[in-house]
Amino acid sequence: KAGVTQTPRYLIKTRGQQVTLSCSPISGHRSVSWYQQTPGQGLQFLFEYFSETQRNKGNFPGRFSGRQFSNSRSEMNVSTLELGDSALYLCASSVGTSNTGELFFGEGSRLTVL
Amino acid sequence: QKEVEQNSGPLSVPEGAIASLNCTYSDRGSQSFFWYRQYSGKSPELIMFIYSNGDKEDGRFTAQLNKASQYVSLLIRDSQPSDSATYLCVNNFGNEKLTFGTGTRLTIIP
Repeated sequence: KAGVTQTPRYLIKTRGQQVTLSCSPISGHRSVSWYQQTPGQGLQFLFEYFSETQRNKGNFPGRFSGRQFSNSRSEMNVSTLELGDSALYLCASSVGTSNTGELFFGEGSRLTVL
Repeated sequence: QKEVEQNSGPLSVPEGAIASLNCTYSDRGSQSFFWYRQYSGKSPELIMFIYSNGDKEDGRFTAQLNKASQYVSLLIRDSQPSDSATYLCVNNFGNEKLTFGTGTRLTIIP
């Protein structure tokens, strides 16, 4: 059974650019959650999508957005990149909503903003 | 007060000893608690969950929950070098979303 797949794994951008990250969940999983991980802050919740609807959103500015497609694949977008956006972005999928069961994480997309 | 607080460590424990990881949380209404393990350079993986007050055992791992004190702990018995990792305490904040602590880095010394 294939795990959660995130692309790209590594990317380098400059301030002001935008970036799109992709996440393919485990087959049959309807929820995709996104997290930002930095050494000082740990895992910070960005948002969760369940059956194509945003179910919850964390305390991030509107530059961070996402969506989920009918096949449960999800994308997140960060516009007008800032140096502080440099982080590991993890997505996780689950069968039901994220608060009810086990999360399965992808390997992450490491973003560096110069 | 942070939603979930953990001692960042590092916590060093001799091989074969008991490692004790602690966590406090702010949401008195939280119902579900999870412990995730994250090896260096890897993604988190679930190792334990607990919903009720008391202890829950799974092999060498025991999760303890005290809702009155808003306290969760993870005990690892007979610690092995392969237990060296960062352990993340997670609660179901507001029964709506998972909130992660910043993690405790555990090192098992052979």
